[in-house]
Amino acid sequence: DIQMTQSPSTLSASVGDRVTITCRASQSISSWVAWYQQKPGKAPKLLIYDSSSLESGVPSRFSGSGSGTEFTLTISSLQPDDFATYYCQQYNSYPWTFGQGTKVEIK
Amino acid sequence: QVQLQESGPGLVKPSQTLSLTCTVSGGSISSGNYYWSWIRQHPGKGLEWIGYIHYSGSTYYNPSLKSRVTISVDTSKNQFSLKLSSVTAADTAVYYCARGNCGPSCGYFDYWGQGTLVTVSS
Repeated sequence: DIQMTQSPSTLSASVGDRVTITCRASQSISSWVAWYQQKPGKAPKLLIYDSSSLESGVPSRFSGSGSGTEFTLTISSLQPDDFATYYCQQYNSYPWTFGQGTKVEIK
Repeated sequence: QVQLQESGPGLVKPSQTLSLTCTVSGGSISSGNYYWSWIRQHPGKGLEWIGYIHYSGSTYYNPSLKSRVTISVDTSKNQFSLKLSSVTAADTAVYYCARGNCGPSCGYFDYWGQGTLVTVSS
């Protein structure tokens, strides 16, 4: 299985901060990475797919980049609604796997 | 707008079979190149993909669960279902159904059900 390792596990930030979350794959996965946001008691929400494509309706402050084994999710200016847990997911090969999550907390 | 809704028992006894159904509305399960999936999340933990079914009937299961999992589809009811046999307390989790979509590659989940907590306990 391809392991997806996110860093950091927890991130403390303030409203207006630029936030970057990293996801590393245990082997090359081309650009087949998605990013999700999950709030407590809710289903994950798709933010980014194909490494850098913004899902319809998602604010433009979210962006994704990377290829091969290293990927990043960036929030350009953190908003109150963005405090949540973020997951990366690879769909390059079976089984599709997720990172362990990064919790973005209020500083 | 596509919507997914899980249904099924919230409590299952050890060694029994967990059965859940996902009802899809706002679109036909038979149209488009989608991979109708089940994903679970253990309490306070990350996400684990269980497997998918395509409306054509093709399936793929996570090898970690393959011996116990069956996913089926009922296109007449616009539903797909999960059966997980011989459950233990380790199968206690929130179970989500989701739609796997395709761009150049397939496998990102653009629509999710709200999730249903299944507890395995006697």
